[in-house]
Amino acid sequence: NAGVTQTPKFQVLKTGQSMTLQCAQDMNHNSMYWYRQDPGMGLRLIYYSASEGTTDKGEVPNGYNVSRLNKREFSLRLESAAPSQTSVYFCASTGTSGVTDTQYFGPGTRLTVL
Amino acid sequence: AQSVAQPEDQVNVAEGNPLTVKCTYSVSGNPYLFWYVQYPNRGLQFLLKYITGDNLVKGSYGFEAEFNKSQTSFHLKKPSALVSDSALYFCAVRDLRTASKLTFGTGTRLQVTL
Repeated sequence: NAGVTQTPKFQVLKTGQSMTLQCAQDMNHNSMYWYRQDPGMGLRLIYYSASEGTTDKGEVPNGYNVSRLNKREFSLRLESAAPSQTSVYFCASTGTSGVTDTQYFGPGTRLTVL
Repeated sequence: AQSVAQPEDQVNVAEGNPLTVKCTYSVSGNPYLFWYVQYPNRGLQFLLKYITGDNLVKGSYGFEAEFNKSQTSFHLKKPSALVSDSALYFCAVRDLRTASKLTFGTGTRLQVTL
């Protein structure tokens, strides 16, 4: 049981390049989330998927797109990377999107945009 | 809008001494509160949560947190700190109105020294 896995662990992009961050969970969770972590700002929600087939914007969705490929996988795409998107990205999942549910986090992807 | 404040960027404690990491929150309804810990280059790990009931919540690794509704606080505590407790700690909150969205504080770095 690997929990939440993310690939890649590290990535360096040039401005304007595109890439997709992959996330998968093996806990049979319904809800999945993408966050970014920046120094002094905590974690901010980019997008989430309450259940397979649905996605919604979070606090900072601009410049990103997501795909809930199936129940296990939730990907985050940067179509045209910008230096402001340099950050650490975390994927998380919960059993449901209920208010009491605990979110479980992946190890993160450290992205640098030059 | 819901929010979380962690007023201290860093807390320094000697090993064996008690520690407190402070958190205050603001929500429109009943709060659902969480503490997470992040070790260097790792994802966030769940420590404990308050849903309802006893104001003192016990969690992993000997940590506990006290919910105080009148002071809108949820401080993290441990009776005797260990050097291995040194990490970044995040408080987070949800309410029923925004069930899918977990709002994080900016984090407090705990440094435990010998």
